[in-house]
Amino acid sequence: NFMLTQPHSVSESPGKTVTISCTRSSGSIASNYVQWYQQRPGSAPTTVIYEDNQRPSGVPDRFSGSIDSSSNSASLTISGLKTEDEADYYCQSYDSSLWVFGGGTKLTVL
Amino acid sequence: EVQLVQSGAEVKKPGESLKISCKGSGYSFTSYWIGWVRQMPGKGLEWMGIIYPGDSDTRYSPSFQGQVTISADKSISTAYLQWSSLKASDTAMYYCARHLSYGDPVDYWGQGTLVTVSS
Repeated sequence: NFMLTQPHSVSESPGKTVTISCTRSSGSIASNYVQWYQQRPGSAPTTVIYEDNQRPSGVPDRFSGSIDSSSNSASLTISGLKTEDEADYYCQSYDSSLWVFGGGTKLTVL
Repeated sequence: EVQLVQSGAEVKKPGESLKISCKGSGYSFTSYWIGWVRQMPGKGLEWMGIIYPGDSDTRYSPSFQGQVTISADKSISTAYLQWSSLKASDTAMYYCARHLSYGDPVDYWGQGTLVTVSS
């Protein structure tokens, strides 16, 4: 089994750009797709990035995803931050036998 | 319109049994996987397991194997998560989630079912 490690929290000002990392503990980050979910307080999660870097319809292009094999990590980048982006963000991947979520990152936009 | 509608909040005592549900509508229920995700108070998301209602293929996270049972009744497009003997540590929000195949992302989430276990 493997783990996905995220920073506990990040903060940035409106209009700026923030990047949230997600590091895979074992196995290649490139071996299975990474998804990113946004969860606002009191709500169910929603998908903001799937298959490493794809955006579902309705998700603004301010959201982008990437993977870096050299650091065995995935990243979620949000540009032109808005106060509505304040939420918890979770990365997720899988192997042949189970799904794994990262611990989540609380994004504060202040 | 695709919807996953979960059963309502539950308050139970330790040792009691419980079965919560997730009813799918607006799509072919037997063609998508349904997963269950736990979120303990103030904590992150934890994957519990999934079921493919088409053939009842079920997989569990090692952390939840033997602790819960996942099932589905395709005749009524409903998936279930059940406990035979609840513990206080089962207090959490539980979400069901739909995805096309095992490796695909979740495209629809249920609204969540809050389970509170307290004496």
